[in-house]
Amino acid sequence: LAKTTQPISMDSYEGQEVNITCSHNNIATNDYITWYQQFPSQGPRFIIQGYKTKVTNEVASLFIPADRKSSTLSLPRVSLSDTAVYYCLVGTGYSTLTFGKGTMLLVSP
Amino acid sequence: DAGVIQSPRHEVTEMGQEVTLRCKPISGHDYLFWYRQTMMRGLELLIYFNNNVPIDDSGMPEDRFSAKMPNASFSTLKIQPSEPRDSAVYFCASRVRGEKLFFGSGTQLSVL
Repeated sequence: LAKTTQPISMDSYEGQEVNITCSHNNIATNDYITWYQQFPSQGPRFIIQGYKTKVTNEVASLFIPADRKSSTLSLPRVSLSDTAVYYCLVGTGYSTLTFGKGTMLLVSP
Repeated sequence: DAGVIQSPRHEVTEMGQEVTLRCKPISGHDYLFWYRQTMMRGLELLIYFNNNVPIDDSGMPEDRFSAKMPNASFSTLKIQPSEPRDSAVYFCASRVRGEKLFFGSGTQLSVL
């Protein structure tokens, strides 16, 4: 399994763009990058998944460089409600089940 | 769909007592997962089932933990006897093969 490294925590202010980078140097050819979000007192929920280049949905964008050894989750114009833990998972499709510690994002007024 | 339903939401018990956590997966999902979350260890996979059959229980901490899935719509995670170090949030999740995970709201367990 590809090992992932994320910052333990990040701070931001409302209205700013937040970029959370995940390093996965030993990503395999068939691996996808999947991000989950966990609000306090809730279970994680799926945000976005990508294989290469850029993926965008109504919640976030995911940027993956050509070498795929890292990826960046981008949250545009964050609000207080984006305060959560963000997990980066790498594996074959949705089969990866290992979450790690994630990145705690704190958004302040 | 109501999503993955877990009960109870909170459980407080004394050391040595038996604890049973319950989970109802999303209808039609053929995979069910039990996770445990603590500050120290993060989110750990304990066991998962496919079509009601346990596939991988390597994450179950010790023999005091057991899990069952008697049918497609119900699973239990039992701790007997419970110990203070078992205090954590226990999550159940389900999914269809090849698709994303859907988590329940968790059971906050406190063993005194």
